[in-house]
Amino acid sequence: AQSVTQLGSHVSVSEGALVLLRCNYSSSVPPYLFWYVQYPNQGLQLLLKYTSAATLVKGINGFEAEFKKSETSFHLTKPSAHMSDAAEYFCAVTNFGNEKLTFGTGTRLTIIP
Amino acid sequence: GAGVSQSPSNKVTEKGKDVELRCDPISGHTALYWYRQSLGQGLEFLIYFQGNSAPDKSGLPSDRFSAERTGGSVSTLTIQRTQQEDSAVYLCASSLLGGAPTDTQYFGPGTRLTVL
Repeated sequence: AQSVTQLGSHVSVSEGALVLLRCNYSSSVPPYLFWYVQYPNQGLQLLLKYTSAATLVKGINGFEAEFKKSETSFHLTKPSAHMSDAAEYFCAVTNFGNEKLTFGTGTRLTIIP
Repeated sequence: GAGVSQSPSNKVTEKGKDVELRCDPISGHTALYWYRQSLGQGLEFLIYFQGNSAPDKSGLPSDRFSAERTGGSVSTLTIQRTQQEDSAVYLCASSLLGGAPTDTQYFGPGTRLTVL
């Protein structure tokens, strides 16, 4: 069984400030981890994914995430928030031989001008 | 190129009616997935197709839910005798090969179902 926990259903940051969205996973086998973003009335868009290569993963729109096995974490960061980053963010996990994604409950990011 | 498309974008129905939701995957993608996004349950997996076969139906919540895929392309999710708890956004995704976690799933915009 595998699961994902996203701490903080709502996060607010000022424009230009650091964005940090937390994701912790639980998996009995090596995980593959993903961050998706959902803009209002749109589908999910892949931001980045960890597939057992480099532990620091860079994605689109300046986001990156670091896989830390010892902490079972895959937190999403961006050095400087932009107004266009306001959206809902989902962390997801799967593993080899498993085709379905298991999602966290999501974090809604608000950017304060 | 065209992404995953879903229709209708919104569907309002009365309790007890049947509904059909359609998904057109990205051309050439062999794998197709249905997920449901609801307030109480978050994003949950429903069913996975590899070609026209559904090797994993484990997420379908009841026998009122069924899905099929024809020609290795279009998929239809059918909900019979809809209940208010079926109200949710139904998301479809497709991937090139399926069955591999490195294979990115591309999502459509979803169908918002409201059961009155």
